[in-house]
Formats: sequence, structure tokens, C-alpha cells
Amino acid sequence: KAGVTQTPRYLIKTRGQQVTLSCSPISGHRSVSWYQQTPGQGLQFLFEYFSETQRNKGNFPGRFSGRQFSNSRSEMNVSTLELGDSALYLCASRLQGSSYNSPLHFGNGTRLTVT
Amino acid sequence: AQKITQTQPGMFVQEKEAVTLDCTYDTSDPSYGLFWYKQPSSGEMIFLIYQGSYDQQNATEGRYSLNFQKARKSANLVISASQLGDSAMYFCAMREPGSNYKLTFGKGTLLTVNP
Repeated sequence: KAGVTQTPRYLIKTRGQQVTLSCSPISGHRSVSWYQQTPGQGLQFLFEYFSETQRNKGNFPGRFSGRQFSNSRSEMNVSTLELGDSALYLCASRLQGSSYNSPLHFGNGTRLTVT
Repeated sequence: AQKITQTQPGMFVQEKEAVTLDCTYDTSDPSYGLFWYKQPSSGEMIFLIYQGSYDQQNATEGRYSLNFQKARKSANLVISASQLGDSAMYFCAMREPGSNYKLTFGKGTLLTVNP
């Protein structure tokens, strides 16, 4: 079974641009969540989607948005990029309705560099 | 608010020896779950082990075990017989109350296994 797939692996953008990252969850997983990882702030929860609906959102500005499609694939978008948005963006999926000890399964991440 | 503390920024261990990575947590919720993840330089977060607050026994998964001391609010990861491939960042995380998808992570510990 294929794992969580994130594309692209690396991105370089300039300040003010926008960017879209993509995530395909494990087959059968309908819940997708996104995390931002930076050296200073560590891993921080961005948002979570299930059945095309955002169910939870972290403490990030409105420039960060996401969506989920009917096939459970998810995208996150960051508009008006700032230098501080440089980070590793990790996507995770989990089987809805699985036992409480079922973990999140993460992808390899997309490393975004803003210059 | 929940909090995860990993006080060891870096640890060194000799190959084939055991090592303990510390994790303390703070929560007011009586029902909680703790996860440990490994992050190699490739970026992917790899699930290692889970401990639930009501679990009667300490969790074990192969060479990984948890030293769970509920009264002290600590959940230390023990890696036995370290291997060179164990060199990575290790994160302790706690599930947010009422959510199976939102995790609060510690800052991580960088483990280096020396030959």
C-alpha cells in the first residue's frame, strides 16, 4: 500500500508570491491534516480536513488555506509569501473510525524556501 | 493547554547500547494518548510507539519501549541495541483532547549513534 505522497518535494519562491502544495493520503484514508515544521517553532498544526470539510484549524493567518477533494487528496495554499513561511510542510492521513491508538501517517514533506 | 517538553536537544550513544530519550507532558485531560515519532534527515515522520493514559502496561514495539510514569507525567522512549540507522530526530507528541488528528509535538531530540 502506497504511503502518504506529497508533491513537490522542494519549492523555491520569492516573497509576495503564492504557492500550492499537494498531498495524496493513503488509500482509504479520508482524513488529512497539515503541519508546518520550522527550526524555531517546531511542528505546528495547520488544519485538518475530512470529507472535503475543514474540521480544525491551527493558529495561522488567513494567508494559509486548504481544501480537500472528493478523492481525499488535499491541497494547501499560502498566499503573499513571507520569509518566515520557509519551512517543511508535512501532510498526514489517518483512517477515520480506527482505534484511538491508530497513529497519523506522515508523508516526506514539501520543503518550501522563500527568498 | 497541553505541553510536551523534551529537555535533551541532542544525545549520543554507542552502537549496540541502549538509550533513553526523555519526554514530559502537561495536560488536564484524564484521557490522553502519547506518540513517539522518528524523523530521519529525509523528513518523513515515522511512527514508533503509542501509550494511552489508561493503558495498564508500558508499550513495547520491537526495540522500542516506553517508560511511562503517569504520576510524574513522563513517557520516556527507550531504544535498545542502538543501530546506526537510529540516528535521527525523535519527537514526542500528545493527541489534543477530543481530536484524533491534532497532535502537540515537543521540540525533539537529535540522536546520534556512533560506531
